[in-house]
Amino acid sequence: DIQMTQSPSSLSASVGDRVTITCRASQSITKFLSWYQQKPGKAPKLLIYAASNLQSGVPSRFSGSGSGTDFTLTISSLQPEDLATYFCQQTDKAPYTFGQGTKLEIK
Amino acid sequence: QVQLQESGPGLVKPSGTLSLTCAVSGGSISSSTWWSWVRQSPRKGLEWIGEIYQSGTTNYNPSLKSRVTISVDKSKNQISLILTSVTAADTAVYYCARGSGRFVGWGQGTRVTVSS
Repeated sequence: DIQMTQSPSSLSASVGDRVTITCRASQSITKFLSWYQQKPGKAPKLLIYAASNLQSGVPSRFSGSGSGTDFTLTISSLQPEDLATYFCQQTDKAPYTFGQGTKLEIK
Repeated sequence: QVQLQESGPGLVKPSGTLSLTCAVSGGSISSSTWWSWVRQSPRKGLEWIGEIYQSGTTNYNPSLKSRVTISVDKSKNQISLILTSVTAADTAVYYCARGSGRFVGWGQGTRVTVSS
C-alpha cells in the first residue's frame, strides 16, 4: 500500500495567516492526490483533486500544489470557519490511502 | 444534488456480521459513477473499504477483502456493506461516498461499535 505522511500533525494560526500543510507519498503518485476538510462531527469534504484542482464551491483561498511524492495544501488567508482537520489522500492506486490528518486550530 | 444516508445497527457482537445500507437520493444509483465505503476510527484513521460500480463490479481493500461484500440494489437506489467476523478493531464511523478514489460526496456517517 502507498503510505501517506502529513505534517504537521497539528498547528495553530491566526485569522488572516497563510497556512501550509504538507503531504508526502511513499512512492510517486504523479498528481493523483486529493485534499479533504473535516469539521468536528461531520463527514470529510473534498477541497482539492488532482493535486491542484479546486472542487466546485470551495473558496479560492484554498489551493494545492505538488507532484510525484510531495504535495502542499495552502490556505492563503485563514478564516475562523477553517477550523478543521485536513487529510490528504492518494487516488493513484487502490487501496486508496489517507494521511493521518492535520488538526488546524485558530489562535 | 445527490445525498447519501447510511443506516444500520449501532452495536454488533464480536464474531458477528456488520450490515449497513446507504440510501441514495437526488440521483440514480445507476448513473455512471462508483460508490464507495470508507470508515474512520481513532486507531486507523480514514480507511477505504471498497467500491462498486452500478454494473456490480467491485474492488475491495486487500486488508478486508476476505470479510467484505458490497452490493447495489437498483430497485431501492441503495448500496449495502456486509463485513463478517467483526472484532473490536472494526469499531468505527462508516461512511458511504460517491466516487472512485476521489470522493465528491459523503453521507453523514454511522457509528458502529463492536462489543458484547
